[in-house]
Amino acid sequence: EVQLLESGGDLVQPGGSLRLSCAASGFTFSSYAMSWVRQAPGKVLEWVSAISGSGGSTYYADSVKGRFTVSRDNSKNTLYLQMNSLRADDTAVYYCAKGSREVRPYYFDYWGQGTLVTVSS
Amino acid sequence: EIVLTQSPGTLSLSPGERATLSCRTSQSVSSSYLAWYQQKPGQAPRLLIYGASSRATGIPDRISGSGSGTDFTLTISRLEPEDFAVYYCQEYGSSRTFGQGTKLEIK
Repeated sequence: EVQLLESGGDLVQPGGSLRLSCAASGFTFSSYAMSWVRQAPGKVLEWVSAISGSGGSTYYADSVKGRFTVSRDNSKNTLYLQMNSLRADDTAVYYCAKGSREVRPYYFDYWGQGTLVTVSS
Repeated sequence: EIVLTQSPGTLSLSPGERATLSCRTSQSVSSSYLAWYQQKPGQAPRLLIYGASSRATGIPDRISGSGSGTDFTLTISRLEPEDFAVYYCQEYGSSRTFGQGTKLEIK
């Protein structure tokens, strides 16, 4: 059974940093791309970042480019999102999502339950 | 970037009725790289349809997807109580963009 468990969400001040983690199990982690998708309170889904199965290719939405960094440790079956220079509009539930294949194009066939990031002073 | 426009914003129907949800894209979607997701309050999204018309594992056959090019449709033939939720379409061939969602509510 595929399981994705996010952690690391917290209350952080504007300009601060946070690192999210997503522990994966139930599939061969290195064989699939992974993504982060966020949802602000009461808002729609927004794709944030993606990484290929090998970790060699990374992609970012314009809204986070230069501030967020996605990475993965295939030996630990874990996906990460390093978030720097956080702003109030980064407040959202952050979901980890498994891609349907290693490289694009892929849809998201499994999702974690999400972790809440609140950026506020 | 491809823009996805879903309609209607809210659809009010009764259990047993047929639901038709629309997703229009600003550019033609290559190879029908269009997916549909269902999200219930407080839950993560769940994949329903990929490739515009292929059902994901465990999705009942009363839920179906169709369309190509710029016009796509999600149809639920006979609504069950568990179908009332928000539905999102997503283009995953180039931009990974999501639509703004359609809320399917009980009338």
